[in-house]
Amino acid sequence: GENVEQHPSTLSVQEGDSAVIKCTYSDSASNYFPWYKQELGKRPQLIIDIRSNVGEKKDQRIAVTLNKTAKHFSLHITETQPEDSAVYFCAATSGNTPLVFGKGTRLSVIA
Amino acid sequence: EAEVAQSPRYKITEKSQAVAFWCDPISGHATLYWYRQILGQGPELLVQFQDESVVDDSQLPKDRFSAERLKGVDSTLKIQPAELGDSAMYLCASSLVAENEKLFFGSGTQLSVL
Repeated sequence: GENVEQHPSTLSVQEGDSAVIKCTYSDSASNYFPWYKQELGKRPQLIIDIRSNVGEKKDQRIAVTLNKTAKHFSLHITETQPEDSAVYFCAATSGNTPLVFGKGTRLSVIA
Repeated sequence: EAEVAQSPRYKITEKSQAVAFWCDPISGHATLYWYRQILGQGPELLVQFQDESVVDDSQLPKDRFSAERLKGVDSTLKIQPAELGDSAMYLCASSLVAENEKLFFGSGTQLSVL
């Protein structure tokens, strides 16, 4: 089955700097890669996703890149703000199986 | 905005007791999932329903866990007897059949087994 590895497990950045979180997946059939943000005590919320037919997707300060050949994808957050502090999870699926999540990255944005 | 409802929000129980969690998905979402999230880790699937039918329960510890979705709407997850290692956040999620990869999560039930 699918296995998703996520790095780093913790990340601290200064406010205004960029943050990058990386994930690798094992199943070449996976074609959908979402990112979820989970604030302390709250539900995971989908913030951006990408399908395997595109290499990059942007939504304001958030972008995701996908390298199908290397089987890795990354989340990029620019101009970080304190409210970006949360745990971020990547996930992968082929559509025929449920989402498999990474272990999460705890991002701290220091004002 | 419609949300997945879960209750209770917190549950404290002693080992060997029975516990039950309830989930009401977003209206119209035929697919329902129960995930378990251990502190510091990502959610792990326990069971997936399509309407009232179980699609995947391969990771559900069936000796003590059970799940049902009798009318294809709300769902109940039960643990009997609870063990110390069951302490975790239990998250329910739902999705549309047409976009079954896009999961909408509830706020979860935080279970503590003493």
